[in-house]
Amino acid sequence: EVQLVESGGGLVRPGGSLRLSCAGSRFNFSTYNMNWVRQAPGKGLEWISYISNTGSTIYYADSVKGRITISRDNAKNSLYLQMHSLRDEDTAVYYCAREGSRRYFYTMDVWGQGTTVTVSS
Amino acid sequence: IQMTQSPSSLSASVGDRVTITCRTSQNIINYLSWYQQKPGQAPRLLIYGASILQSGVPSRFSGRGSGTDFSLSISSLQPEDLATYYCQQSYFNPRTFGQGTRVEF
Repeated sequence: EVQLVESGGGLVRPGGSLRLSCAGSRFNFSTYNMNWVRQAPGKGLEWISYISNTGSTIYYADSVKGRITISRDNAKNSLYLQMHSLRDEDTAVYYCAREGSRRYFYTMDVWGQGTTVTVSS
Repeated sequence: IQMTQSPSSLSASVGDRVTITCRTSQNIINYLSWYQQKPGQAPRLLIYGASILQSGVPSRFSGRGSGTDFSLSISSLQPEDLATYYCQQSYFNPRTFGQGTRVEF
């Protein structure tokens, strides 16, 4: 079964840093663009970052720009999200999601189970 | 790009036909997906390309629309359809989601 598994979440103080990981399995990871999407408690889904399959194209949401860095290691079938200067409002479940090709209208067809980040003093 | 999803919540009964709408501020042709999220779970893809049913999704789910106006329908609501539903556009960057529609019984 195609799978994405996030890890790295936890409790961090305001201003702190955290690195999230997402491991892909049973698909050709290097051929897929990837996204990070988060969901604050009781809120909706918020897209926060995109990276192309080669890593050459990257986008960030304005709400996190300058505070997060997306990266990937195709040799390890892994996606990462480095977060700095964390704020209370960054508290959320963070999901990685695979993006299908243009043939599939770039839909997010596979999602991980999510990892929880709690920013609190 | 702005996504306006409505209603924000709805109450229905088993067997009802339910329709959720999603309007975008710009023409996205048919680069529109619908996701279902049950409490405590990750989102699940239901429909992409505005009307293409993802493999394994029951046929009571359907999507339609193009341009700026889209809809998701559930022809006969089942107990397991209790969830929040989100639309998402994938024509422009940044990708954006609707605010969600909670379906309750």
